[in-house]
Amino acid sequence: DIVMTQSPDSLAVSLGERATINCKSSQSVFHSSTNKNYLAWYQHKPGQPPKLLIYWASTRESGVPDRFSGSGSGTDFTLTISSLQAEDVAVYYCQQYYGPPLTFGGGTKVEIK
Amino acid sequence: EVQLVESGGGLVKPGGSLRLSCAASGFTFRSAWMNWVRQAPGKGLEWVGRLKSVTDGGTTDYAAPVKGRFIISRDDSKNTLYLQMNSLKTEDTGVYYCATAIGRLDFGFWGQGTLVTVSS
Repeated sequence: DIVMTQSPDSLAVSLGERATINCKSSQSVFHSSTNKNYLAWYQHKPGQPPKLLIYWASTRESGVPDRFSGSGSGTDFTLTISSLQAEDVAVYYCQQYYGPPLTFGGGTKVEIK
Repeated sequence: EVQLVESGGGLVKPGGSLRLSCAASGFTFRSAWMNWVRQAPGKGLEWVGRLKSVTDGGTTDYAAPVKGRFIISRDDSKNTLYLQMNSLKTEDTGVYYCATAIGRLDFGFWGQGTLVTVSS
């Protein structure tokens, strides 16, 4: 099974500042036949279902603000919020969909400093 | 508009069974690979399993903690996904979501979730 490890577990960032979340997979999630990384990022707020932010490691989902960006390849990935807004307070998860079992990272809680 | 609506959650005793449903609309359900994801209280997201479309073989994959106890099925004539949960354990307590994406493998669409509580 592919284990997804996120860091940090939580972080507090001032409004307007940058937030960076890291995700490492225990094996590569890059599929050479499609030339894509099978990695997604989700935002999860209490009482709501998770929301897809990024897929294929760096493609922003329609309607997601451009302050959210994803990068990385192979086993190391990053979600960046370029200018944190109050509505970005949430838990963020990475997920690999390279193959079953599909697995999520442990989550990173983002708060306002 | 894509909609996924889960139902069937509730309180069940350890060792009992429960069947969840996920009613889908707004997309071609029979072509979609459908997933169940859960979240235990105070914990992170956990993938439960998935069911491929019939045209892609209609096979299932499960997470280790539920394999042999849970069964995912679908009725394409009713646009509905099911999760039959047997031999329930207290650690199966949580909110259960169905999720899918259109033509992709990530989870672009989620239901609101249904709460399952396993307790004596």
